[in-house]
Amino acid sequence: GAVVSQHPSWVICKSGTSVKIECRSLDFQATTMFWYRQFPKQSLMLMATSNEGSKATYEQGVEKDKFLINHASLTLSTLTVTSAHPEDSSFYICSATRSDRGSQPQHFGDGTRLSIL
Amino acid sequence: SQKIEQNSEALNIQEGKTATLTCNYTNYSPAYLQWYRQDPGRGPVFLLLIRENEKEKRKERLKVTFDTTLKQSLFHITASQPADSATYLCALDNQGGKLIFGQGTELSVKP
Repeated sequence: GAVVSQHPSWVICKSGTSVKIECRSLDFQATTMFWYRQFPKQSLMLMATSNEGSKATYEQGVEKDKFLINHASLTLSTLTVTSAHPEDSSFYICSATRSDRGSQPQHFGDGTRLSIL
Repeated sequence: SQKIEQNSEALNIQEGKTATLTCNYTNYSPAYLQWYRQDPGRGPVFLLLIRENEKEKRKERLKVTFDTTLKQSLFHITASQPADSATYLCALDNQGGKLIFGQGTELSVKP
């Protein structure tokens, strides 16, 4: 089956630090990758949609200068949380899909637990 | 805007019974509806996809129904096992392959 690797799995750092999270599709070329944020006992909230070679599309209310997304290849997308603060602490999850149509399932990484002190 | 509601209460059932989870949506009928399983601290895992012109889809012990009149999908796990304990998420396609997720229903299967 499709495998998506997300790294690191957890990060603890000081306020003001920038943190980079990587999302790789290991066995297929991902046309589109998505970045989500999830709070405890809540659903996944889409932050942005990332297509290879083009700028990410951010959801309403998500600061693009705060959450930098780069999708340099069909197998790698990165999310950088710039100057992170305690309110940015959350569970960040990426997913990859073979197309931008809803008929395709999304394949998720195992998430990154980010804790800002 | 589209809203999705899943059973907010955790579902506790006995091993061997059938678990039935509900997903209701409020607005337009999506072309596709998907179900995912999520274990604590892990990413969701895709289970089943059903199209708007399909009434029912099965995969091993799993069955999904899709009623566009009621704006509802039901997710069934037959002969449930403790290993089926997890949170189950339904998701509807929006546009550009985007999914809108429900808040999930936590299922606990007791031996």
